[in-house]
Amino acid sequence: DAGVIQSPRHEVTEMGQEVTLRCKPISGHNSLFWYRQTMMRGLELLIYFNNNVPIDDSGMPEDRFSAKMPNASFSTLKIQPSEPRDSAVYFCASSLGTSGSTQYFGPGTRLTVL
Amino acid sequence: GEDVEQSLFLSVREGDSSVINCTYTDSSSTYLYWYKQEPGAGLQLLTYIFSNMDMKQDQRLTVLLNKKDKHLSLRIADTQTGDSAIYFCAESSNSGNTPLVFGKGTRLSVIA
Repeated sequence: DAGVIQSPRHEVTEMGQEVTLRCKPISGHNSLFWYRQTMMRGLELLIYFNNNVPIDDSGMPEDRFSAKMPNASFSTLKIQPSEPRDSAVYFCASSLGTSGSTQYFGPGTRLTVL
Repeated sequence: GEDVEQSLFLSVREGDSSVINCTYTDSSSTYLYWYKQEPGAGLQLLTYIFSNMDMKQDQRLTVLLNKKDKHLSLRIADTQTGDSAIYFCAESSNSGNTPLVFGKGTRLSVIA
């Protein structure tokens, strides 16, 4: 299996621009998670989906952040407009969604907003 | 709310054992995990333990859980330079379809 796939791996953009991060979960996995990693706050959950339905988006920092999961094999995290404080590594993870199943992480997208 | 605490740094000599400690606050934590992150990489699941277990051993890795004190530890035997990384403790009440709560990570440095 290819594992969780994220793109792009690196993104550098200017403040005010729209940024779209992409994630392809492991085939057959029913739960998908978006986490953000910063030096100050560590790893934080942004949003997660079960069976393509958003369950908890309370970790999304502001209305500038939005996430979608149009089908079982694809999810996007969009930031519009981006700000320098959004600079972080964004991880996508997926799991089977059954009790006790483990979460597998993608390689992450390193976002730099200038 | 839920909280997971870890010490930030640990330095050991090659060949020695490393012990990374973690405490958590959520008494409903059912699954406890150790992830490893190498520079520029994602998180790699190392091992996990269910809350009804006290210990789990997997080759060089030994996980100890003291549920009463909400204390988790990861022991790496015969530590190698390739073990240098950041180690994250994480907990979940269900794991499969609920988020993980992570500690800030312990940076392990192995001195040759």
